[in-house]
Amino acid sequence: DQQVKQNSPSLSVQEGRISILNCDYTNSMFDYFLWYKKYPAEGPTFLISISSIKDKNEDGRFTVFLNKSAKHLSLHIVPSQPGDSAVYFCAASSGTSYGKLTFGQGTILTVHP
Amino acid sequence: DAGVIQSPRHEVTEMGQEVTLRCKPISGHNSLFWYRQTMMRGLELLIYFNNNVPIDDSGMPEDRFSAKMPNASFSTLKIQPSEPRDSAVYFCASGQGREETQYFGPGTRLLVL
Repeated sequence: DQQVKQNSPSLSVQEGRISILNCDYTNSMFDYFLWYKKYPAEGPTFLISISSIKDKNEDGRFTVFLNKSAKHLSLHIVPSQPGDSAVYFCAASSGTSYGKLTFGQGTILTVHP
Repeated sequence: DAGVIQSPRHEVTEMGQEVTLRCKPISGHNSLFWYRQTMMRGLELLIYFNNNVPIDDSGMPEDRFSAKMPNASFSTLKIQPSEPRDSAVYFCASGQGREETQYFGPGTRLLVL
């Protein structure tokens, strides 16, 4: 039973264009959502997060949108750069979990020069 | 400031052997998480500790896996006996409880022949 799903295994975009990565969740107890980025041979690194009391959070080129009614969140990267090429993981947690995160399967983003 | 430290970075062993993976969390963090990443299952949580106490080990695949956290600065994940299907990258992460941002180590790439 996968509670966090990233249905697109991969995404390819041109440098300078927008990258949109999507994530769906099923557990209505989740109240905090995060995106992590992972390069080969490294551990995932935190990118951006959003609380369920918000519907948007922005940090430079990265914006996360949350649609609670649809149980859907997305990560927008504008403009995309070749250095953004990595695996992106969506993660979620609930308030009683001591910070336990449930991760999606990941989406491989490739940004072409 | 050192991040999460994992050792060894790579481990090759034969089926039936005992494998011990080690983790040193970031100083001051009170939560520690062990994850396994495979192509088939993505990034899955195995077990996590809060203040050195195991909180949830429901992700541990079977009795061959065990984890300990004898003090705030050290944790081990042991597989005994190891099997080829245990081959994966194992990540340790630490955080500060409800502050959901987790900081990952570089991972241990395990290959069981």
